[in-house]
Amino acid sequence: DTAVSQTPKYLVTQMGNDKSIKCEQNLGHDTMYWYKQDSKKFLKIMFSYNNKELIINETVPNRFSPKSPDKAHLNLHINSLELGDSAVYFCASSHRGRTEAFFGQGTRLTVV
Amino acid sequence: KQEVTQIPAALSVPEGENLVLNCSFTDSAIYNLQWFRQDPGKGLTSLLLIQSSQREQTSGRLNASLDKSSGRSTLYIAASQPGDSATYLCAADQGGSEKLVFGKGTKLTVNP
Repeated sequence: DTAVSQTPKYLVTQMGNDKSIKCEQNLGHDTMYWYKQDSKKFLKIMFSYNNKELIINETVPNRFSPKSPDKAHLNLHINSLELGDSAVYFCASSHRGRTEAFFGQGTRLTVV
Repeated sequence: KQEVTQIPAALSVPEGENLVLNCSFTDSAIYNLQWFRQDPGKGLTSLLLIQSSQREQTSGRLNASLDKSSGRSTLYIAASQPGDSATYLCAADQGGSEKLVFGKGTKLTVNP
């Protein structure tokens, strides 16, 4: 049973396109996150949702819009993709940051 | 603002050696510190979570310690094996928030 699952695993797209990455967790956690891992492998938080409410919104371009239809799902929509958006995007979940965080396998986004 | 530093950036050891990975953080008002493992092209696997009230946690050949007052954590790996080769990431929350701040990792290579 996959605890945190993301789709797709790989995404190659052209500049200017709009794309979405989906994430689902079956751990019963109330908080979900999106992290970005850049080309230097540095992981940084982008967004956090608790019970469908946005609680962390780092300085991310507004082309990135997270959506949480319920507390088990957190999707990431990216408009007008740019070359610099190429990275690995990880979804994660925990209980309000008070318990172990579990990560998905990542989505490798390549913008060409 | 929490900053997490990991030393060394890379480490190469012969199989069977015991080793220590270091992590330091600037904001001691943490709730949790978590160690992860990342294999090339893969997601993050949680290894150990240490809550602020704890001094250490153990799982198999792994032992993680936490010294909040000095802002340090160590991950001890006993009797290292080639399968332990991976990048090890340390993450601390920021001021007890849900946000995990990651170090840049230590890339470990265990040679047969």
